[in-house]
Amino acid sequence: GENVEQHPSTLSVQEGDSAVIKCTYSDSASNYFPWYKQELGKRPQLIIDIRSNVGEKKDQRIAVTLNKTAKHFSLHITETQPEDSAVYFCAASNRGTGGFKTIFGAGTRLFVKA
Amino acid sequence: NAGVTQTPKFRILKIGQSMTLQCTQDMNHNYMYWYRQDPGMGLKLIYYSVGAGITDKGEVPNGYNVSRSTTEDFPLRLELAAPSQTSVYFCASSYGDRENYGYTFGSGTRLTVV
Repeated sequence: GENVEQHPSTLSVQEGDSAVIKCTYSDSASNYFPWYKQELGKRPQLIIDIRSNVGEKKDQRIAVTLNKTAKHFSLHITETQPEDSAVYFCAASNRGTGGFKTIFGAGTRLFVKA
Repeated sequence: NAGVTQTPKFRILKIGQSMTLQCTQDMNHNYMYWYRQDPGMGLKLIYYSVGAGITDKGEVPNGYNVSRSTTEDFPLRLELAAPSQTSVYFCASSYGDRENYGYTFGSGTRLTVV
């Protein structure tokens, strides 16, 4: 079945460094790729998303890139800060004939060391 | 807007007991979802609904039931609770038929079955 693979599962960076999280999806019909941030004990929150007709999107210190040919998309966080420490989930979605389907990656636990 | 509201926040059940997790949203989203998140793990889809009167199974529906009598409400029913159902449950909603498909999550229900 369809799946989304996310790497790495754990990432530790020094404050001020960049962090990159990568995802690969299998369903070629996927056309929407959101990223969620989940702080400890909190709900997941949408932080950025990208649609299949766009190759890159940026919002302040975070950016997403999408390579539809390779079925890869990535989250880039620059100038990391301790408050960026959280679990990040990627997802791939498509609106098929059976309704709307979203597949989540397993998550990346990001630690930003002060 | 309150967004997505879940109750209760915490609950301890004894094996074999039943309960209903409540979820309501005030954003007029037509799609609603129930996920469970086991400790340190990702999100697994239990059930989803694309509109009032329509529900469908996700990845892990066994032991659960849902109903969607109104656009706003999407309760999750646990019958004959088992220790394997100890988890954090998140309800989410989204626009399924618009450009922005991102989810809004509730704050979660932490359920322990003993």
